[in-house]
Amino acid sequence: NAGVMQNPRHLVRRRGQEARLRCSPMKGHSHVYWYRQLPEEGLKFMVYLQKENIIDESGMPKERFSAEFPKEGPSILRIQQVVRGDSAAYFCASSPGRGLSGYTFGSGTRLTVV
Amino acid sequence: GQQLNQSPQSMFIQEGEDVSMNCTSSSIFNTWLWYKQDPGEGPVLLIALYKAGELTSNGRLTAQFGITRKDSFLNISASIPSDVGIYFCAGQLADGGSQGNLIFGKGTKLSVKP
Repeated sequence: NAGVMQNPRHLVRRRGQEARLRCSPMKGHSHVYWYRQLPEEGLKFMVYLQKENIIDESGMPKERFSAEFPKEGPSILRIQQVVRGDSAAYFCASSPGRGLSGYTFGSGTRLTVV
Repeated sequence: GQQLNQSPQSMFIQEGEDVSMNCTSSSIFNTWLWYKQDPGEGPVLLIALYKAGELTSNGRLTAQFGITRKDSFLNISASIPSDVGIYFCAGQLADGGSQGNLIFGKGTKLSVKP
């Protein structure tokens, strides 16, 4: 039973490029959450999605960031025109339903902007 | 935004010693969680607490949900080298809206001398 799968594990982008981070939830999980972790910091909530719906995007930056969780396929966190400050570890978690039961994190994508 | 104050920031202890760390907030939480994060990995859940006053153990780990619902502590007894890592508290606000987002502390980095 595979856990939450994130890819790529490491991503290097030049300033101004786009970054696409993918998250495949655990089998049977239809709720996905994205977090960002800066060095020496805790995780910061970004967005909560259910299949085809954004439930809570209160932590998403207003510009350049978007997220989707289509009916088929993984959830995607997209960062347009990346800047050096976007360099961080991005973690995805999934759960079978609302609430924290079964809430499981993936291993993250480390984004480096050069 | 909401903050969790986690202390200490780091600890360096002898193998076999007991360890204690805690989190406090000015806000009320309805859930407290304690995670461990190893380098290059996502957080792994250690203990979940759902009721004020609740005291829960998981092997050598014990955690409590404070009566005021604004704090929690984690104790590790008889530490061993594999306890090394970063420990995070996380909580879900009582008025947490979507119920999908967790607020994390900044972490306690534990180093154990063998």
